[in-house]
Amino acid sequence: SAVISQKPSRDICQRGTSLTIQCQVDSQVTMMFWYRQQPGQSLTLIATANQGSEATYESGFVIDKFPISRPNLTFSTLTVSNMSPEDSSIYLCSGGLGTQKETQYFGPGTRLLVL
Amino acid sequence: GEDVEQSLFLSVREGDSSVINCTYTDSSSTYLYWYKQEPGAGLQLLTYIFSNMDMKQDQRLTVLLNKKDKHLSLRIADTQTGDSAIYFCAERLNDYKLSFGAGTTVTVRA
Repeated sequence: SAVISQKPSRDICQRGTSLTIQCQVDSQVTMMFWYRQQPGQSLTLIATANQGSEATYESGFVIDKFPISRPNLTFSTLTVSNMSPEDSSIYLCSGGLGTQKETQYFGPGTRLLVL
Repeated sequence: GEDVEQSLFLSVREGDSSVINCTYTDSSSTYLYWYKQEPGAGLQLLTYIFSNMDMKQDQRLTVLLNKKDKHLSLRIADTQTGDSAIYFCAERLNDYKLSFGAGTTVTVRA
C-alpha cells in the first residue's frame, strides 16, 4: 500500500489569492491524480499529474486555474489560482501503481475555505 | 448525470447488517471499489473487486458484483457505531481514473 500525505491540511484564504497544495507519497507511484470534493458532494477528478510533463485536465478544469507540477514519482503540487468562494472545497490527491492490480490510495485532503 | 449511482442515505440499527447498493454504466470497468469517508477525514479504501469475480469477503465486509446488471453491493455485518460514515462506490475506467458515485451516508442508531 501507499501512504499519502498532504500539506496544508486546511487553510482559509482571501479571494484573489493563490494556494499551493503539496502531495507526498511514501513510495513511487505511476499514477497521481487530483480530485475536488465540494461541500456535500462526491469527488470530481481535476487532472492526472504526469511526471515530467504537463498534467492532463478533465473537462471544465484548465491549467491557468489549477496548475499542477509533478517533478518525480513521489511528489506533486496543485495550485488553486485567483481563488473565489466557489473554490471552497476539499482537494484530495491520490496515487496508484498503474498496474493490473493497482489500487488507488488517497491523501487526507486539504480543506480550503475562501472568503 | 453521474455514471455511478448510489442511494443517498441508509439508517441501520447497531448489530444489524447494512447493505449499500451501487450501479455503474461502464461495462469495461476492470475494478470496482468501496471507499469510506468519516467526518472531517479523507477517503479510506475499504475493499475492491475485480470484474471477473462475483463475490469478495473480507472480515465483516462482503462485496457482491452482478456484472450483467452492472450492480455492486457492500454488506457490512454486525454494523457498529464506528461504521457511521459516507461510503463511496467507484469504478475504474480504462485510463486508471476513478468515477465516483455521490456517496451513501450510513447512520448507525443504537
